[in-house]
Amino acid sequence: EAQVTQNPRYLITVTGKKLTVTCSQNMNHEYMSWYRQDPGLGLRQIYYSMNVEVTDKGDVPEGYKVSRKEKRNFPLILESPSPNQTSLYFCASTDGTTSNYGYTFGSGTRLTVV
Amino acid sequence: DQQVKQNSPSLSVQEGRISILNCDYTNSMFDYFLWYKKYPAEGPTFLISISSIKDKNEDGRFTVFLNKSAKHLSLHIVPSQPGDSAVYFCAASGSGTYKYIFGTGTRLKVLA
Repeated sequence: EAQVTQNPRYLITVTGKKLTVTCSQNMNHEYMSWYRQDPGLGLRQIYYSMNVEVTDKGDVPEGYKVSRKEKRNFPLILESPSPNQTSLYFCASTDGTTSNYGYTFGSGTRLTVV
Repeated sequence: DQQVKQNSPSLSVQEGRISILNCDYTNSMFDYFLWYKKYPAEGPTFLISISSIKDKNEDGRFTVFLNKSAKHLSLHIVPSQPGDSAVYFCAASGSGTYKYIFGTGTRLKVLA
């Protein structure tokens, strides 16, 4: 089944403790992206990647890092999480060649930083 | 500054009637627009898209209309069904960027 898989689905952590949210897609997509969803703010892009080793900042990159060492994986790293990073996170991918260019999203990771 | 706006946070419609969800944008460089549907505890699901060279795109019960001069797009769902109850996001991007800007979403409730 074609899908984007994120782990974990739920995570509670303490301020300052480094964490990684993993994202993997099995569709051989070139483009991948991370979004966060917050009430009243919709979905905001954190980082995106156009190919292996090619990444760029989205609208809210502060406090996050990403890497794209393999085409299928695009982990999101929070080096020193803070409570304002409590949010619902989505990873997404697209091949960019279909007529609709729509992203396929993962099921989400709900992160709570206390 | 919100470049993509969905000014109605919620909408209730009777089953069988038309649902119209609206979206406004400010950036004239946007040339590709999409609608996503999101159920609780799931990721957004792509619904329908439209390129700026068109003013209408249909897919079954879903039609998206684009008015470039007004910088406005709308999603029509006819007939509305209870399973359509979800949050709907519109998104916009510039040519080939894959950097999509999302609106804040409209929660649609279809009443049986």
